[in-house]
Amino acid sequence: AQKVTQAQTEISVVEKEDVTLDCVYETRDTTYYLFWYKQPPSGELVFLIRRNSFDEQNEISGRYSWNFQKSTSSFNFTITASQVVDSAVYFCALSEGGGFKTIFGAGTRLFVKA
Amino acid sequence: NAGVTQTPKFQVLKTGQSMTLQCAQDMNHEYMSWYRQDPGMGLRLIHYSVGAGITDQGEVPNGYNVSRSTTEDFPLRLLSAAPSQTSVYFCASSYSVWRGTGELFFGEGSRLTVL
Repeated sequence: AQKVTQAQTEISVVEKEDVTLDCVYETRDTTYYLFWYKQPPSGELVFLIRRNSFDEQNEISGRYSWNFQKSTSSFNFTITASQVVDSAVYFCALSEGGGFKTIFGAGTRLFVKA
Repeated sequence: NAGVTQTPKFQVLKTGQSMTLQCAQDMNHEYMSWYRQDPGMGLRLIHYSVGAGITDQGEVPNGYNVSRSTTEDFPLRLLSAAPSQTSVYFCASSYSVWRGTGELFFGEGSRLTVL
């Protein structure tokens, strides 16, 4: 069975600090997909990134970076030089096989103070 | 583009009443799913569908029914509402991972209160 654990319930940082959001997953499949979504205070859900299980390359997009490590079943998300606009709930998610059933973690609420 | 449209946005029900949350997408996505979001529990999958006529249960299916008669529509029915079903409900759709990123496109959410 698939499972996603985001152990950090809430994180509070001061603007310009770097912050890492942890995600640990469980799956029996050899082919799977990992995602991060952002939910700002307005409530909509915004897709940030997808990684395939067979591609362990880390990815950087502006101030955002993702570290995928199959050996530890982790897919962590780092925000560099955080900004107030980064304040949101961040969800890690996992899809097995055909990718039609996506399971989410409980989310990490990030507060960035000015 | 309308994307994923959910109605209603807000609803108050009494215990025991039934209702249907409507969801429609205009992106020709194969996959559709329903989630509920509760504080501290993230998004939990209720039911999902991989195509017209095919549905399956997710993590928390009890008390809910779905059907998918067309590619576009995926309604969620509450059979006999209970206070434990008070939640925010999100409908989502996506291409398969072979046609796209597998990214979920979400509706704006429906806030349901059961008294």
